[in-house]
Amino acid sequence: AQSVTQPDIHITVSEGASLELRCNYSYGATPYLFWYVQSPGQGLQLLLKYFSGDTLVQGIKGFEAEFKRSQSSFNLRKPSVHWSDAAEYFCAVAPTGGGNKLTFGTGTQLKVEL
Amino acid sequence: DVKVTQSSRYLVKRTGEKVFLECVQDMDHENMFWYRQDPGLGLRLIYFSYDVKMKEKGDIPEGYSVSREKKERFSLILESASTNQTSMYLCASSFVLTARIYNSPLHFGNGTRLTVT
Repeated sequence: AQSVTQPDIHITVSEGASLELRCNYSYGATPYLFWYVQSPGQGLQLLLKYFSGDTLVQGIKGFEAEFKRSQSSFNLRKPSVHWSDAAEYFCAVAPTGGGNKLTFGTGTQLKVEL
Repeated sequence: DVKVTQSSRYLVKRTGEKVFLECVQDMDHENMFWYRQDPGLGLRLIYFSYDVKMKEKGDIPEGYSVSREKKERFSLILESASTNQTSMYLCASSFVLTARIYNSPLHFGNGTRLTVT
């Protein structure tokens, strides 16, 4: 079964600083990978996804993520954080063989200091 | 834009009550899902449905059941609510694109925060 680890529960960055949120997955092959964001009081919104091809994927709101097979990682990055980026971020994995079970990590809470 | 609507934002129920959480989507999606979200545990899949009257257990189905009589509506049922079912419940939907179901991302509702006392 696949699993996802987000080692950082909370991260605080200053507005304008760069951001990297870590995600490691466990799966026998290359899975489908996702990052979702949850703003306070809201449901989750898809930021970006990786299925195959270019290992650097661009998403909405200026986010990008890089798939590194050798490290089983899919870290989320943003060059300059805005105060509105404060939210909880979830990494998720789905098996490439099909099936409907998307497995989520435990989330990273991002705080942005002005 | 896809809209997934959960009927209640906050719900308070007593132990032993039968609880219905309703979810409606307006984009004719085949797949619908129920997750619960708890601090430190992330989202865990309770049940999902890939068609009307079809359902499959997720990772934590115990104490829950579901109903999907119409394509747009997916109900989560707590037969006898218990305090350990106090949680945030999130409904999601997606469509099927041939066999590559994850070409379609999940669209989430805003959640129902259920408190069982």
